[in-house]
Amino acid sequence: AQKITQTQPGMFVQEKEAVTLDCTYDTSDQSYGLFWYKQPSSGEMIFLIYQGSYDEQNATEGRYSLNFQKARKSANLVISASQLGDSAMYFCAMRGEASGTYKYIFGTGTRLKVLA
Amino acid sequence: GAVVSQHPSWVICKSGTSVKIECRSLDFQATTMFWYRQFPKQSLMLMATSNEGSKATYEQGVEKDKFLINHASLTLSTLTVTSAHPEDSSFYICSAGLFTDTQYFGPGTRLTVL
Repeated sequence: AQKITQTQPGMFVQEKEAVTLDCTYDTSDQSYGLFWYKQPSSGEMIFLIYQGSYDEQNATEGRYSLNFQKARKSANLVISASQLGDSAMYFCAMRGEASGTYKYIFGTGTRLKVLA
Repeated sequence: GAVVSQHPSWVICKSGTSVKIECRSLDFQATTMFWYRQFPKQSLMLMATSNEGSKATYEQGVEKDKFLINHASLTLSTLTVTSAHPEDSSFYICSAGLFTDTQYFGPGTRLTVL
């Protein structure tokens, strides 16, 4: 069975500081995708970053980077230079590819609050 | 690119009525759409996978006669909550993508059943 675990229900970070949001996963698939989404209070899910299981380099997208440690089955999100607008709920998700359905499963989320 | 819309963004209805929610991919064709449900302060729970031209695949515990899904074209999927009751009140989100590609999410629909 596939599982995503986010152990931090809430995090605080000072504006302009970097913050790491933890995500561990469990899967027996050899091929899978890992995603991070941001959900502000408006409810929309905003795609942030993607890491494929066969990608050897950590993914980066602007201020977002994904610290992918395959052996540890972790895919932590690093946000550099935090901004007040980064305050939101953050979800880690995994897409398993062996079954052919490409379904996503989500972690329970981490609520990030950026302090001025 | 990769814009997904949902309509309506919110709806209030009386118990016993049916509500239809539309999910559209505006600038791409989506072979697969997913429907999720999210309760306050909780994660997204997958309800069903909608494939164009075929029957939806429902997750365990989701009543397919209660939540009717139709994926009539590559840009439109609909979720109909039949005979809605207060416990169906929730935030419903769809996502769309091109098979193996990243899924893009709609803005969600907040359903309140009185």
